[in-house]
Order: sequence, then structure tokens, then C-alpha cells
Amino acid sequence: DAMVIQNPRYQVTQFGKPVTLSCSQTLNHNVMYWYQQKSSQAPKLLFHYYDKDFNNEADTPDNFQSRRPNTSFCFLDIRSPGLGDAAMYLCATSRDTRADTQYFGPGTRLTVL
Amino acid sequence: GQNIDQPTEMTATEGAIVQINCTYQTSGFNGLFWYQQHAGEAPTFLSYNVLDGLEEKGRFSSFLSRSKGYSYLLLKELQMKDSASYLCAVRAYNAGNNRKLIWGLGTSLAVNP
Repeated sequence: DAMVIQNPRYQVTQFGKPVTLSCSQTLNHNVMYWYQQKSSQAPKLLFHYYDKDFNNEADTPDNFQSRRPNTSFCFLDIRSPGLGDAAMYLCATSRDTRADTQYFGPGTRLTVL
Repeated sequence: GQNIDQPTEMTATEGAIVQINCTYQTSGFNGLFWYQQHAGEAPTFLSYNVLDGLEEKGRFSSFLSRSKGYSYLLLKELQMKDSASYLCAVRAYNAGNNRKLIWGLGTSLAVNP
């Protein structure tokens, strides 16, 4: 089945220790998104890639970076995690950025100690 | 500004029908999505409306009135597994005139036996 996969499902890191979250997709979609979602809050878009073009949201902290080495994979790098970065990180894909539906991976729950 | 309103919580009985409302005020409109999100899991796509009217998909239906900035999600023959958060999201335009999904905070539905 075509799908969006995120690894790991649960990640524990220490304050200030860099961490990388991974997303892969078999849908062959052009667009990949990274969202941050905290408890009882709406998903917050951090950035997205349209193919190789990176689009950062204006309010995304510099601490968050992303890489998309090919169509299938996208990574979220948190350079120096703070306690406030503990959240669920959701990867989503869509065929394009027009009216297309976004399909989500299962998410990675990040804990910062 | 961009704003989406949904009730915070709703309760219903197994086998019954429940309607979850969503009102929106956004810059432009390019479609409305409903997603279901179980606790600790990623959102899953339920429905998409871009034209006025009712879209039916099995036990779930979604309605849109663009002139009123209003949508609802109708769940019939409720099952215990329908206990989840239901997120309304509108595709609108941000300050840079780029399309963007604006998310509501979600409605937490509890289905009781």
C-alpha cells in the first residue's frame, strides 16, 4: 500500500542534543510537509518542500531545519532541542499545493529531557 | 485575520447521529477538509468540500456553505471507535498570497455506550 512512513515513532533526546526525524513516502507526491502538534492544539506548519523548493513558514524558529535528498525522503533536524520543542511531529504529503488532500504519516512523538 | 471555530467537545451515544459544526473567516477560500485524529495518532483524511452542498461517504457526510463560511460533519450510526478529535481545515491564502491550510483546534467527540 502507498503510504507515508515516519521513523522513529518515539524519540527521546536531551536538552540541546541535535535530533533528526525521518519521513518517507511511496505516494510519489511532489509536496512534503512538516508539522508540529502539541497537546490539544492544531497542527502548526513548520515548512514544506515542493519538489526541491524549500518553503519556510515565517514563524518557524531557526532551530528547525529540513532536508529533502530525493522525492521519497524528507528529514526534520532540530539543532538544539529545548523543552518547548517536545511535541508530536507530523509529516504529510500531497500531490501539489493547490487543492490536493494532505496525507499524514503516523507521527513521531519527541520527548526532551 | 484567519480564524476557524469549532466546538471544543461533544458527547453522543452509540448508534446515534452527531453533527460537528465549523465556521471560518479566511483570506480567500480554496476548499475545506475534515480530518479525524485519534489520541496520539496522526490525522486521517475524511472529506473535502470546495463547492456548496453535501458530500456523502458512507456513515460520514460533510456540508459546505461558502456564503455563510460554514461547514458541518455529520456522523451517522455512531460507533465507539468514532471517539476521536475532528479537525476542520480550510485552504486559504497567507500574507504572501500563497495557499495554506488553516487548521481549527478540533472537536473532541466522546461516544458513550
